[in-house]
Amino acid sequence: DAEITQSPRHKITETGRQVTLACHQTWNHNNMFWYRQDLGHGLRLIHYSYGVQDTNKGEVSDGYSVSRSNTEDLPLTLESAASSQTSVYFCASSESTDYGYTFGSGTRLTVV
Amino acid sequence: KQEVTQIPAALSVPEGENLVLNCSFTDSAIYNLQWFRQDPGKGLTSLLLIQSSQREQTSGRLNASLDKSSGRSTLYIAASQPGDSATYLCAPQVWGMFSGGYNKLIFGAGTRLAVHP
Repeated sequence: DAEITQSPRHKITETGRQVTLACHQTWNHNNMFWYRQDLGHGLRLIHYSYGVQDTNKGEVSDGYSVSRSNTEDLPLTLESAASSQTSVYFCASSESTDYGYTFGSGTRLTVV
Repeated sequence: KQEVTQIPAALSVPEGENLVLNCSFTDSAIYNLQWFRQDPGKGLTSLLLIQSSQREQTSGRLNASLDKSSGRSTLYIAASQPGDSATYLCAPQVWGMFSGGYNKLIFGAGTRLAVHP
């Protein structure tokens, strides 16, 4: 069965370190998204991609970057981790706007 | 800017009750609307997707309605069970032309549901 997987499930890192969260989907979806979920803010869009070599900023993109070298993967990089980036990160994909989004299980990131 | 409000924020009911979860959004120019379920510490599971041309969708004991003109969607859960306990999230997808050039899924804060045996 097709799926969307995120790794690692949990990560603790130190302030200032570079961190990369992985997202891999086998749906062959062109559209992929990264969200963060925080108490009091709900889910907010960080970056998104509509295809290979396409990346775009969402509403909370400062301090984050993504790259899309193939259809299956959209890694999220925190250039220099900050305590404010402690959160749960979700990756999602969709075939098109006519179809719904499918979400991964999330990565809980703690920056100390 | 699209804002999504879900009422109530939390709900605790005995097993067997029929439930109504409400979602309102400020911008009626949406492409579709999706309802999700989230269990504690888990990811989001899609429950229902309502296209903008549709009025409702049904899946088992779940029925979701959409009224774009009034900016409202409602999720009905029939004969609730303890296994329905979770947080339910409403997410309209906003047209790209109204949100910086890309379609965007906007989330409400959710309704936290607890169903007691």
